[in-house]
Amino acid sequence: QKEVEQNSGPLSVPEGAIASLNCTYSDRGSQSFFWYRQYSGKSPELIMFIYSNGDKEDGRFTAQLNKASQYVSLLIRDSQPSDSATYLCAVNDSGGYNKLIFGAGTRLAVHP
Amino acid sequence: DGGITQSPKYLFRKEGQNVTLSCEQNLNHDAMYWYRQDPGQGLRLIYYSQIVNDFQKGDIAEGYSVSREKKESFPLTVTSAQKNPTAFYLCASSSAGNSYEQYFGPGTRLTVT
Repeated sequence: QKEVEQNSGPLSVPEGAIASLNCTYSDRGSQSFFWYRQYSGKSPELIMFIYSNGDKEDGRFTAQLNKASQYVSLLIRDSQPSDSATYLCAVNDSGGYNKLIFGAGTRLAVHP
Repeated sequence: DGGITQSPKYLFRKEGQNVTLSCEQNLNHDAMYWYRQDPGQGLRLIYYSQIVNDFQKGDIAEGYSVSREKKESFPLTVTSAQKNPTAFYLCASSSAGNSYEQYFGPGTRLTVT
């Protein structure tokens, strides 16, 4: 059974701090990694993707990938209350057919 | 505006009734997917389709059926055989070129009593 694991949280950080969200995955063949943000009652929104080892930055978001350790993380700098949401990690299923495997998500709470 | 639409947003049904959830996209994406989300759980794949007139079962296909007669449309029927149909249903699509980048519709919240 291929799995993506995330700490369910809540991860509570003060406004302006860095929020660090982590994800591990079991499928060694996975090559594509995604972070989705999901506000309560809404659908997931793709906010970052990363395909190569290392860091990828986009505005206040940085995705980090370490394939050897099967570990992906998302850093949110200068966290805002509007960042409060559940963050889903997803990786491609190397078995094919363009499938993604999703983690259950980490709930982030940014307090003023 | 390009995007994915799902209707209705909320749906209530009695046990024993089949119900069809709509999903339409105008992104010209080839692949479409149906997921189910339950509280505290990740997204679970129900069915997916890479091209018109072809679809494959996902991890939890029992009690569900789909069709893909048009590229833009991928309706999901929740049958009376589905034991626990109450859930948040999400439709997604992706293009052939960036096939792993999936984009989601707003979802349909189904309640069966």
